[in-house]
Amino acid sequence: AQTVTQSQPEMSVQEAETVTLSCTYDTSESDYYLFWYKQPPSRQMILVIRQEAYKQQNATENRFSVNFQKAAKSFSLKISDSQLGDAAMYFCAYRSADNNNDMRFGAGTRLTVKP
Amino acid sequence: DTEVTQTPKHLVMGMTNKKSLKCEQHMGHRAMYWYKQKAKKPPELMFVYSYEKLSINESVPSRFSPECPNSSLLNLHLHALQPEDSALYLCASSQAYRTGYGYTFGSGTRLTVV
Repeated sequence: AQTVTQSQPEMSVQEAETVTLSCTYDTSESDYYLFWYKQPPSRQMILVIRQEAYKQQNATENRFSVNFQKAAKSFSLKISDSQLGDAAMYFCAYRSADNNNDMRFGAGTRLTVKP
Repeated sequence: DTEVTQTPKHLVMGMTNKKSLKCEQHMGHRAMYWYKQKAKKPPELMFVYSYEKLSINESVPSRFSPECPNSSLLNLHLHALQPEDSALYLCASSQAYRTGYGYTFGSGTRLTVV
């Protein structure tokens, strides 16, 4: 079974600075998708960024980018120019390309942004 | 419409009560999911419906009973719950066979069992 590990329970960053959240995963599959979700106090899980495993190019969405290292099974999220609104719980998630009805989440990293 | 709507937002129920959680989406998604999330923990998958048929049941106790009456609606019927069932219940939907696009989540129902 696939597992997703986030080794940083909490992180903090100064406003306007850059922070990187770590995620590693374990799988024997070659085709899969990886996601970062944000969950603010409002509770709704919001998709931040996604990455297809077969693409070598790292995904980027405005201030959010990933460093995807397939051989190392690593998928870190970089937030640039951090804003107060970025404060939330961040979950890394894995979804198999074959088993299309199952998404597995890491334990989460709570990000605090200091003004 | 790009939302998943969950009602109610908050629910307090006694251990002998019967209640239902409702989830609705109009994005044409044919896969719908129930997740349970305890405080400071990740969501845990409970049930998956694909084309209105139950495809995954993650060994959830029978006091939780899912129902998918049509492609837009997902219910979770609750009966004889325990205090440890208190949690945030999240509904999500996705395109059934385009796995790369992630899920769209609702805002959840905060359930308290007293």
